[in-house]
Amino acid sequence: NAGVTQTPKFQVLKTGQSMTLQCAQDMNHEYMSWYRQDPGMGLRLIHYSVGAGITDQGEVPNGYNVSRSTTEDFPLRLLSAAPSQTSVYFCASSYSYQGDGYTFGSGTRLTVV
Amino acid sequence: EDQVTQSPEALRLQEGESSSLNCSYTVSGLRGLFWYRQDPGKGPEFLFTLYSAGEEKEKERLKATLTKKESFLHITAPKPEDSATYLCAVQASNTGKLIFGQGTTLQVKP
Repeated sequence: NAGVTQTPKFQVLKTGQSMTLQCAQDMNHEYMSWYRQDPGMGLRLIHYSVGAGITDQGEVPNGYNVSRSTTEDFPLRLLSAAPSQTSVYFCASSYSYQGDGYTFGSGTRLTVV
Repeated sequence: EDQVTQSPEALRLQEGESSSLNCSYTVSGLRGLFWYRQDPGKGPEFLFTLYSAGEEKEKERLKATLTKKESFLHITAPKPEDSATYLCAVQASNTGKLIFGQGTTLQVKP
């Protein structure tokens, strides 16, 4: 039982490049979300999904895209990477958006140069 | 605006020296308040959920309490393995979104 799996763990991008951060969960959770964590800023919500086919914006959605074609997967796409997107990204899931105790992945550390 | 503020930002304790971490919040309708532990290079790990003022939860050396404006995480006789960053988050009842504080980094020296 893997929980929430994020890939890759580390990534370096050049400004303007695009990439997809992968997130998969095997707990049959309906709710999934993406956060970024920056020093002194705490965790900030980027996008979230309450079920397959349904996504919505969080606090800091600009420059990111998401889709939810299956219950298990919730990829985060960076359309044109910028240095301001250098951060640690966490994916989280729960049985519902009101669920207790979100389960977090181990994170992706992204550097944009 | 929904907001969460944690203090202190960093705390150094000697092993066995008890202390408390504070989480102050403002939210338009509190569904729940959550405490997480985060170790370096890892994702946050769920500790507690508190729903209403006066509620308390305990786990080993940790006890979380809740009032209408703040929550405390009390650490009794801490050990070096309790060293981590502790995150507080509130969930608004109208949106369901989690709003996190900046965290308190705890270091317990032997």
